[in-house]
Amino acid sequence: DAKTTQPTSMDCAEGRAANLPCNHSTISGNEYVYWYRQIHSQGPQYIIHGLKNNETNEMASLIITEDRKSSTLILPHATLRDTAVYYCIAGYSTLTFGKGTMLLVSP
Amino acid sequence: GAVVSQHPSRVICKSGTSVKIECRSLDFQATTMFWYRQFPKQSLMLMATSNEGSKATYEQGVEKDKFLINHASLTLSTLTVTSAHPEDSSFYICSVLLAGAFRAKNIQYFGAGTRLSVL
Repeated sequence: DAKTTQPTSMDCAEGRAANLPCNHSTISGNEYVYWYRQIHSQGPQYIIHGLKNNETNEMASLIITEDRKSSTLILPHATLRDTAVYYCIAGYSTLTFGKGTMLLVSP
Repeated sequence: GAVVSQHPSRVICKSGTSVKIECRSLDFQATTMFWYRQFPKQSLMLMATSNEGSKATYEQGVEKDKFLINHASLTLSTLTVTSAHPEDSSFYICSVLLAGAFRAKNIQYFGAGTRLSVL
């Protein structure tokens, strides 16, 4: 899996959009960009993934740059329940978890 | 998504005993499952890949004789921590691979995890 780099922590006000960046400059052509989140003491939750096109589902949007070297996860209207560690992973079927971004959503 | 059940959610045992953790795929048949371990304030570390009907593939540094994995059916994989010691205390998490006909459908879904405390 390609190495990813994410900010250690981010803050977001409730109701605002949370934009979480991820750098994956060494991603290979067959690797997808996956996003998971982990709420304290729970198993990771799948959010979204994509190859090169932007993706949207009921949870979030994923914007991947044209060169695929970076991506942004967008939570359009963050709630307190979105407080979690967010992991960006570049891989295929196996996942290598980094340290992720601790997103704190405040009232 | 897929529903993954992991049991037990928490176990406390004495040093030297063995502990079995079950991971079940409730709504689809999983050829491949994964086992991870997470120490406090650290990220998940892949321990092994479990394939139905064959021997598990262990990551470097993971003792296969200590962490026994059995994937005897398409819906159940078990991890047995043999002769557990305090340093084995950790959060163990399983996942199932939902693999579609195309790579775009390869998604891992995770169980809720098992917190093991060895006294």
